[in-house]
Amino acid sequence: DAKTTQPPSMDCAEGRAANLPCNHSTISGNEYVYWYRQIHSQGPQYIIHGLKNNETNEMASLIITEDRKSSTLILPHATLRDTAVYYCIVRAYNNNDMRFGAGTRLTVKP
Amino acid sequence: ETGVTQTPRHLVMGMTNKKSLKCEQHLGHNAMYWYKQSAKKPLELMFVYSLEERVENNSVPSRFSPECPNSSHLFLHLHTLQPEDSALYLCASSHLGQGSGNTIYFGEGSWLTVV
Repeated sequence: DAKTTQPPSMDCAEGRAANLPCNHSTISGNEYVYWYRQIHSQGPQYIIHGLKNNETNEMASLIITEDRKSSTLILPHATLRDTAVYYCIVRAYNNNDMRFGAGTRLTVKP
Repeated sequence: ETGVTQTPRHLVMGMTNKKSLKCEQHLGHNAMYWYKQSAKKPLELMFVYSLEERVENNSVPSRFSPECPNSSHLFLHLHTLQPEDSALYLCASSHLGQGSGNTIYFGEGSWLTVV
C-alpha cells in the first residue's frame, strides 16, 4: 500500500471547519483513500473513503485532488468531541488489511 | 456501536496465566482481524482471517494464538505473556475484497495489562 504523510498535530476552534491534509503521492490507480479517527482509549472509527471523486457523508467531506496525490478531510463544524487522532490510509481494493501510520492529532478548542 | 463487540474490555493477567480475548461481529462480514496498539505506537496488524482461514500472520510470537471458529467469532488466546505485551488489542471485520465495499470496522478494544 502507498504511504501517506500527515502533519503530526493541528488545532481548530470549536464551530469552525477543520481541514486535515494528507499526501499520498505514490498512490496507485486501484487504491482508495480511507479516513479513520481514534478517540483516546477507543477503537478506530471509520469516517469516509473515496477513489477519485469527492465524497460527503453525515460526518465529513473528502476532497481528493485531480491527480490523486493528496486529499483533505473536512469536518464542517468541529466540536470538542471531534478531538482525536485522524488517520489517512490508502489501500488497494483487493487488500484485506489496513496499515496505520501516526496520524494527525486534532485538538478542537473552545 | 460499530457492530464489533470485544470482551473483556479490560484484563489484567500474570505472566504464567492463560486467558482469552473474544470478538464477535454482527455485520455479516467474512474477514476478521486482530490488531495491537502499544503506547505511543501505530496500530500493528497481527492476524487476518478470511472465510475462517488464517491468511496473514505478521511474525507474531507463538504466545499469541488466534482462533476463528466461524465467520462471526474470533478469539485471541494468550499464554505466558510478557509485560511488554501490555497494549490495546483491537478486533476488526470486513467483507472480503469487494472494491470499496470492504471497509474495515473496529471494535472498542481490550486493554491488556501483564503483571
